[in-house]
Amino acid sequence: AQSVTQLGSHVSVSEGALVLLRCNYSSSVPPYLFWYVQYPNQGLQLLLKYTSAATLVKGINGFEAEFKKSETSFHLTKPSAHMSDAAEYFCAVRARGGNEKLTFGTGTRLTIIP
Amino acid sequence: GAGVSQSPRYKVTKRGQDVALRCDPISGHVSLYWYRQALGQGPEFLTYFNYEAQQDKSGLPNDRFSAERPEGSISTLTIQRTEQRDSAMYRCASSLVLAGTDTQYFGPGTRLTVL
Repeated sequence: AQSVTQLGSHVSVSEGALVLLRCNYSSSVPPYLFWYVQYPNQGLQLLLKYTSAATLVKGINGFEAEFKKSETSFHLTKPSAHMSDAAEYFCAVRARGGNEKLTFGTGTRLTIIP
Repeated sequence: GAGVSQSPRYKVTKRGQDVALRCDPISGHVSLYWYRQALGQGPEFLTYFNYEAQQDKSGLPNDRFSAERPEGSISTLTIQRTEQRDSAMYRCASSLVLAGTDTQYFGPGTRLTVL
């Protein structure tokens, strides 16, 4: 069974600073990996996904994530935080072949300090 | 184009009542998923459909929960004899094709409160 662990339920960064949100997965076979963002009173929106092409994945709003098999990680980064990045971020994993469900982490709430 | 829509957006009910939550996926999307999200947690899988066929219902907590998608489009999640522990955000998602790499598009959710 797959699982993901998001370290840090709350992260605060200053506007213009680097954003780093951590995600580690547990799976016997490298899975597909996703980052979703949830703004208040809205549905989850896909930021980016890793599907075994390039290990460095670029997403929307300037975010990117790097798949590192040796570290079983898929951390999300953005070089310069913007006030509009304040939201909750979820890492999710999906098995290759078979069941289509997503397994989500518990989320990280990102606060941007002006 | 329209995204995934869910209705109602908010539902308050009394313990013991039945509720039906509706999901209208993006037109043409083959797969439809239901998740439940408790406060402070990530979404948790309940069940999913390919076309009208329910493929996996392993996440349904007990037999009070059921779901259907009779014509391969709109889906209804029904909770019978609701309990306070059923209070949560219920989220629906759809995807275009039957592929693990495909994106699941989420609706805004239905916030269920059981008094």
